[in-house]
Amino acid sequence: EAGVAQSPRYKIIEKRQSVAFWCNPISGHATLYWYQQILGQGPKLLIQFQNNGVVDDSQLPKDRFSAERLKGVDSTLKIQPAKLEDSAVYLCASSLSWTGDTEAFFGQGTRLTVV
Amino acid sequence: AQSVSQHNHHVILSEAASLELGCNYSYGGTVNLFWYVQYPGQHLQLLLKYFSGDPLVKGIKGFEAEFIKSKFSFNLRKPSVQWSDTAEYFCAVKDYGQNFVFGPGTRLSVLP
Repeated sequence: EAGVAQSPRYKIIEKRQSVAFWCNPISGHATLYWYQQILGQGPKLLIQFQNNGVVDDSQLPKDRFSAERLKGVDSTLKIQPAKLEDSAVYLCASSLSWTGDTEAFFGQGTRLTVV
Repeated sequence: AQSVSQHNHHVILSEAASLELGCNYSYGGTVNLFWYVQYPGQHLQLLLKYFSGDPLVKGIKGFEAEFIKSKFSFNLRKPSVQWSDTAEYFCAVKDYGQNFVFGPGTRLSVLP
């Protein structure tokens, strides 16, 4: 089966610019996650969607980050304006449902460098 | 809030050595436990998972993990590592209806 697709793979931008990442989850997966992984750390949740509704965005810096999943399928994550500390890998993951006994499948990630 | 700790930041082993990576979580309720692996240049992949039942779970590539509820632990083991096991290993915990909380990761380097 096709995995979680993310694009772009790499992005370099200057601080204060904006950037957007795209994710297409595995077909049929209702739950979609965006994680931020800073070098040397584990992934940290930014936002969790169940279909097209937000379940958890408590760790999303809402003054600069936004995300949407309008039709309950693919999703975009935007940063505007970017800061140097936003340099990280942004991971998208999906799972069949939000219940505990389901695993998450991860995409390759987008490596963002803010200069 | 749930938190996950992993005992070692970087482990270096020779091929055929035995491996044990420690993982502890903070919340004592019903949890689901996972080990993910990230090989160089690849995406995070599931190694094994524990939902319920036998606390000793077996995963892919000869890995296994033991859930000890009283110690809030879910340690990963492999009796004999190979050079191809060089990767970063992440322990993750998921409460019912919640998101995955990951540990900081342990980098494993296996010397040929």
